[in-house]
This record gives sequence, C-alpha cells and structure tokens, in this order.
Amino acid sequence: GDQVEQSPSALSLHEGTGSALRCNFTTTMRAVQWFRKNSRGSLINLFYLASGTKENGRLKSAFDSKERYSTLHIRDAQLEDSGTYFCAAEAYGSSGNKLIFGIGTLLSVKP
Amino acid sequence: EAAVTQSPRNKVTVTGGNVTLSCRQTNSHNYMYWYRQDTGHGLRLIHYSYGAGNLQIGDVPDGYKATRTTQEDFFLLLELASPSQTSLYFCASSDAGGGTEVFFGKGTRLTVV
Repeated sequence: GDQVEQSPSALSLHEGTGSALRCNFTTTMRAVQWFRKNSRGSLINLFYLASGTKENGRLKSAFDSKERYSTLHIRDAQLEDSGTYFCAAEAYGSSGNKLIFGIGTLLSVKP
Repeated sequence: EAAVTQSPRNKVTVTGGNVTLSCRQTNSHNYMYWYRQDTGHGLRLIHYSYGAGNLQIGDVPDGYKATRTTQEDFFLLLELASPSQTSLYFCASSDAGGGTEVFFGKGTRLTVV
C-alpha cells in the first residue's frame, strides 16, 4: 500500500486564514521534505526535516519519525500561496535519497 | 542552493517518436533522479544514478532508458514514445545518498500525440 498518505487532497482558504496539511507514513521515515508546485509547474523546496520543527515566515513544519507523521501549517494565507503542496519522505535503508511522495494537496487561497 | 536545469521545458512528439530529456546540475551532487508527475499522483521515480556511468532502476521504469554521461548530466530517453508517457518530468539531484535534501529542476512538460 501507499507509504505516504497526504491529506487533505484539496483545501480552500480565505486570505488571512490558516490551516494544516498532514502526511502519515506507514513506516518509519528518515526525513521528510515539503514542496510547493507553483502555477508554472516548478517545485519549490519549502522544508527539509530529519526531526523536530522548522519555521519560515508564515509556514511551519513538524516531523515526528517515531509517530510517523509530518505537518505543514500555513498561517495568514495569501493569494500567492495557492498551488499544490507535496510531502515526500525518505525511508531508512533506501539507496540514495529516493523520495516517496504523497499525492499532493491543492490549495486555493481566495480573496 | 543547488542549480538543476532541465531542457527542453516543453516538448510535443508523436506516438513512436524518439525523445531525449536533458538535465544538468552544477553543484557536484553525486545523485541524480528522474521523476514523473501526473494528476492525482505524487512524483514517481523512473530512474536514478549515483555517479557517471551508473544507472539504477526506479519504481516506474518501463518504457524509459537513462544515461548519466558525467557527474553533471543525466538524460532520460524515450525511444518509442506512447501517449501514456504524456506527463510532467522532473529531474533532481542530491549530495551523498541518504539524509540530505533533494533539489528539483523546473520540470519538462512532454506531450505525446
């Protein structure tokens, strides 16, 4: 089965509000990355975490390997935050940095 | 930050056609990867390499070949393109295997008609 379960698949926010995306893992993962795919299709690196939490502006991410999940919190959403957000995890013992992706969350921020 | 450059950015080819997608990274990373991304799916790994001359099979390799000619350059080859290979292709690179951040190119949109 899928090793990375991402939710929700779609999310609509009004400007200024916030929410959280979540990825659950079916096995223990070594690290997680979060990406945003913008309107031009480019993948933007948001966070890389091997443990704990990181914050960057209005975004904050957490990763708990033992509990097998990661979250991405967005606060004070802006129109330019719209896009598809992906989490991707790296399993222990994998060769190289092979990432296992979630299906993505389509975020729409509306005025 | 790592620079990963893909070319072309867009490509249209006919069924049965021969296509080469190119990727160059300029940060001396050891590992390079080719993924495809389709609606309703996350990115899926096609092939990857840990150095010049090396090739490893990914999760969805059927219909694709790849070649790593130098540490910087990784090519994805579709020798008999099919409509099912219409997709958004991403190249990526990372430093030594395991526990390091992966950096992606801007993607190549391939349409097979």
